Order: sequence, then C-alpha cells, then structure tokens
Amino acid sequence: SQQGEEDPQALSIQEGENATMNCSYKTSINNLQWYRQNSGRGLVHLILIRSNEREKHSGRLRVTLDTSKKSSSLLITASRAADTASYFCATADTGNQFYFGTGTSLTVIP
Amino acid sequence: SQTIHQWPATLVQPVGSPLSLECTVEGTSNPNLYWYRQAAGRGLQLLFYSVGIGQISSEVPQNLSASRPQDRQFILSSKKLLLSDSGFYLCAWSWGLGQKLFFGSGTQLSVL
Repeated sequence: SQQGEEDPQALSIQEGENATMNCSYKTSINNLQWYRQNSGRGLVHLILIRSNEREKHSGRLRVTLDTSKKSSSLLITASRAADTASYFCATADTGNQFYFGTGTSLTVIP
Repeated sequence: SQTIHQWPATLVQPVGSPLSLECTVEGTSNPNLYWYRQAAGRGLQLLFYSVGIGQISSEVPQNLSASRPQDRQFILSSKKLLLSDSGFYLCAWSWGLGQKLFFGSGTQLSVL
C-alpha cells in the first residue's frame, strides 16, 4: 500500500504546549499535504509542501519534509483547545494520485 | 468563492437497497471530483475520481459506481447495498490532480 502512516496515533497535551505529529510514506512524491478533521466533519486543508521544499510555515503551523527519509512532521505551536481534531497527511505521488494516512488524533486539554 | 454541497448528512439504509449520494460544486469550472470513504477511526480510501464529464476512474473494485452527468455534479450509487458499505462518505474537488482538496461535509451511511 502506498498509504502514509502518522505517528503517534493519538496525542494528548495541555493547552499552550506544542504538538508534533509525524508522517511516513513509501513512494516518490510531488507534494505532501496536511489536513485537519473535526469529528464527523469533512477534512480541511492546512498546508502543502512541495517535494523540493524542506520547511514551510503557516501561522502556528510548521511543516518539514525529508524526502530522503520519506517523512514529514507537523508542528502546532502554542496549542489551543480548538486544535483538538484528527490530523492527516496526504501524499500526491508522481502520477498525482492522493494517498491519505490513518491520522493522528490530537486532544488539547484546556 | 467556491463551495461544495454534499447530501444527505446521514442515511440509514437496509441491506440490498439502492444508494444515491449527490455532490455539487459551485463557483468553479471543470473541477476534478472525488469520492472517498472513511471507516470509523481510519484514514480515507479513494473510491472514484473524475477529471471531466463522463470520465470516471475507479480505485477500488466494489459494488459502488459513480457518475458525472454535469460538470459540477458527482453522484455515488449502488444497486444493492452491503453491510460493508457502511462508513463516512466524503466528496471533494480540486483544481487539478495532486492539488489541494476541498471536502464536503460528508455523509454518514449506516447499512443495517
């Protein structure tokens, strides 16, 4: 399967702490994207990083990409209770087909 | 701005009954359209995608089918539902393959 895998599967932190989640994948990619899903809702796109980029920032989000290790990380700084959600990485392979990981469930405790 | 509509939000159907889920996109032309299924607590599985009217690509063999009768309309169907068809179905669109996806709010399907 070309599906990515997030690690950890579940993460619980206190409000104000940083949250880091990782994604590993198996094939060559054109880009890697992170999405957020609140319970029972659709996914919302957070950030896209291209295969020739190593780091990208968007507000409190920081994404890194290491194509040699086929891995990416998503860092959420100064977490808030509203950040509680599931986070998925998705890879677009060289044929531009998307593959989603199994997700990290983040709980931010107020 | 672009919006995506997906309905119904929840659906309970008996085994063997037909299915029709509809998705429409507004505010853009010739979008790529996708149907995903998400099992409880799991990742997303791509079922179908379409790059144009009448063009459907299937990722997973199953008793589901998809159609795109109009540019911005994508329909997921089944003639006879199975228990294993239960799940959360998500429609999405993008401007092109490999570009970011915009998701609908999903349909929770329970087959009993």
